Amino acid sequence: SYVLTQPPSVSVAPGQTARITCGGNNIGSKSVHWYQQKPGQAPVLVVYDDSDRPSGIPERFSGSNSGNTATLTISRVEAGDEADYYCQVWDSSSDLWVFGGGTKLTVL
Amino acid sequence: EVQLVESGGGLVQPGGSLKLSCAASGFTFSGSAMHWVRQASGKGLEWVGRIRSKANSYATAYAASVKGRFTISRDDSKNTAYLQMNSLKTEDTAVYYCTRQSGDGFDYWGQGTLVTVSS
Repeated sequence: SYVLTQPPSVSVAPGQTARITCGGNNIGSKSVHWYQQKPGQAPVLVVYDDSDRPSGIPERFSGSNSGNTATLTISRVEAGDEADYYCQVWDSSSDLWVFGGGTKLTVL
Repeated sequence: EVQLVESGGGLVQPGGSLKLSCAASGFTFSGSAMHWVRQASGKGLEWVGRIRSKANSYATAYAASVKGRFTISRDDSKNTAYLQMNSLKTEDTAVYYCTRQSGDGFDYWGQGTLVTVSS
């Protein structure tokens, strides 16, 4: 089965740039979606199809995907960005949906 | 406004059954594929399964961890999706979310319902 690998944690100071990676075999050939989840809340889609933003999501959130790594980039990080972030793909070969293990973003 | 509201969670003994519901509003439910995703306390998101629309023959797919025990269905006349869970195990304890598929991702999520499997 397809596996997505994320770092357990990323820390960044306010105003700096956070980069959260999502590794998978030839993930560049798939569409990657990113979700933000704050404690006690449901996940929220923040980036879809590698690099598009849903309405209402700040431009500070961006994404890229190439080769074996997809990346969620959060520019000018704010305290309110502190959350767990998950990447997700659809594995068409098995018709299964897969989530990465999640990354806890800490704003120092 | 799109809304997804899960219900039916609760405490059940190992080996027991439970049926969750997901009531949808604010969009054309009959044309949407719907999924269930769960999250054990302190753990990550785990995809559970999916049901497609009538146009796609209500096709279902399940994670290996629940295949043969869980069944997803839908009633388009009631704008509701269901998750029938049988032969429940302690490791099925989690918050269960329903979510709407958009492209290959999920654009709207419910607030979740807690299922606790314990004796």
